[in-house]
Order: sequence, then C-alpha cells, then structure tokens
Amino acid sequence: SQQGEEDPQALSIQEGENATMNCSYKTSINNLQWYRQNSGRGLVHLILIRSNEREKHSGRLRVTLDTSKKSSSLLITASRAADTASYFCATANQAGTALIFGKGTTLSVSS
Amino acid sequence: NAGVTQTPKFQVLKTGQSMTLQCAQDMNHNSMYWYRQDPGMGLRLIYYSASEGTTDKGEVPNGYNVSRLNKREFSLRLESAAPSQTSVYFCASSTGTSGSRSYEQYFGPGTRLTVT
Repeated sequence: SQQGEEDPQALSIQEGENATMNCSYKTSINNLQWYRQNSGRGLVHLILIRSNEREKHSGRLRVTLDTSKKSSSLLITASRAADTASYFCATANQAGTALIFGKGTTLSVSS
Repeated sequence: NAGVTQTPKFQVLKTGQSMTLQCAQDMNHNSMYWYRQDPGMGLRLIYYSASEGTTDKGEVPNGYNVSRLNKREFSLRLESAAPSQTSVYFCASSTGTSGSRSYEQYFGPGTRLTVT
C-alpha cells in the first residue's frame, strides 16, 4: 500500500518557471525523501528532510515538511529542460526497514 | 565506484520460464532492495534484505524468491514467469539497517523484463 501520494500526477511548465509538487503521507515519519527519475533510468536521491525540520534547501530545490498536515512539498526554482523527469516522495515503512514510494509526479519543462 | 549494477538490462521470457536477476553494489551497504515499476503504479517493494543473511517480503513478493549471496550481491529469481511479471525491475541499496533512520537509497539502472 502506498504511504506517500504525490500531487499533481503531471505538470507542464516553461523553462524559467517554478515547479511545485506535493506529497501527502498517512502515518508518522522520521524523515521524508524526494527522488528523481529520468526516463528509462533508475531513481536518484535528491533530498532528505527529517521530521524535526520544516524546510530544507539544496541548490534550486526547496523542500518543506508539515507533520501536522502529513504533507511535504518540493519546489524547483527556475526550471530547466533538464529537470524533465518524474519525482517521487518516499517514507519508511512501519517496521522502519524499507522505503515506500508514492506514484510520482511527472514534470515536463519545455524550452 | 560503479555503485549499483544490474544484469541483464533487457530480457524476454516465455510464460513458465525461469530466470535470475543479478544485483551488486560496491558501496559496502548493509541493506538491499528489489522493486518493480509498472506504469501508473510507482515503485512497489518486492523483497528486501536489511542486512547480510536476512531477507523479508515487501508489498508484492508472490512469484519471486531472493538470495542475499553476500554483502555485495542480492539476486531476484522468477521460478515460473507469468505475463503479469512484465515490468521494470530495480535493485537498490542503502546504509540503513534495522533501527536506522536514514535509508537514502541508491538505485541501479533497471532490468526491463517482458514475459510473453
């Protein structure tokens, strides 16, 4: 069963615009992670935010976490065509031994 | 470092055939995972190995078996392939062990399997 669910399922923007995608989850977490998957490739870890953090930055990425609403958002600023990919959020399973991924948001950035 | 490697990259099987997907990591990670990815379904965990010598079922284990051969290698076996097992299979590894809270995972490039 899915722990995290991303929204929207698909997003199309122009280069230079910001892209925001959201993730909702069901149970309490220790951390939440975001991954990127380029077409035909494996997933690549982007950023991890711990449950006691509210915001985290990495380059053009900004992640927020609201544990009271059980939600997180990933903001990509000044998008580039190379940001075209699927983005997944992930949280640990109840046993704390593996990650459960959402279904992802597919981002298309056109030039 | 090669990271996580998977073989083969592509495979076509007939229904009922068996095969083993190989995965190896050179990052000295304790934990390894097998996922399948189907359109519209995201990634679903098949099996995982939290540490050498242990394996556990994930969300969709039916029709699969795994072997944690050593710390580096984790294989996935389909004993009697079915068309429903047509998918892209990803292996991943992480430093996480039971009780750890990091779980940043490193993924291989995937194996595209078609069962006819």
